[in-house]
Amino acid sequence: GENVEQHPSTLSVQEGDSAVIKCTYSDSASNYFPWYKQELGKGPQLIIDIRSNVGEKKDQRIAVTLNKTAKHFSLHITETQPEDSAVYFCAANYGQNFVFGPGTRLSVLP
Amino acid sequence: DAGVIQSPRHEVTEMGQEVTLRCKPISGHNSLFWYRQTMMRGLELLIYFNNNVPIDDSGMPEDRFSAKMPNASFSTLKIQPSEPRDSAVYFCASSSGVLGQGYEQYFGPGTRLTVT
Repeated sequence: GENVEQHPSTLSVQEGDSAVIKCTYSDSASNYFPWYKQELGKGPQLIIDIRSNVGEKKDQRIAVTLNKTAKHFSLHITETQPEDSAVYFCAANYGQNFVFGPGTRLSVLP
Repeated sequence: DAGVIQSPRHEVTEMGQEVTLRCKPISGHNSLFWYRQTMMRGLELLIYFNNNVPIDDSGMPEDRFSAKMPNASFSTLKIQPSEPRDSAVYFCASSSGVLGQGYEQYFGPGTRLTVT
């Protein structure tokens, strides 16, 4: 079945620095790759997504890049702020299923 | 819109008891998903409905788990009998399109289930 790996599992950065989270997937047929942010006590919330026909997508301080050949995609957060602290999940579609990575706990230190 | 509504938010029950979790999707959404989140296994898709019909229940862990969607505005996830290893946060999500085709899933706040 589909496997989505995510690294690192925890990440601490100073406020204002950039954060990068990387994911790899196993199914070459996957074509939709969302990123979710989960704050404590809440459900995951979509922050950005990318489809296989695009190599990069940006939304203000957040960007996602996709390398289909290598089967990996990354989340980039620039100028991090304390409110960016949360758990981030990548995901990939797999047939009629949807597989999430194990998550990255990001801490932005003031 | 109120978003996806789940109830109860917290449930504590004893092993062997029946547990029913409830979900009201966002009005107009035609897909509904039940997920389970644990520290050990992360977020797992349990079952996926489209137009009230179960499409894929391969993630349902065993026969003790069942899910229904009697109409477009309500779904239940039932565990009978419950076991301590069922303790987790259960999320319901809804979407306006087909799973994996690029339609955003909106998650509810979750139900934290503790089975003692």
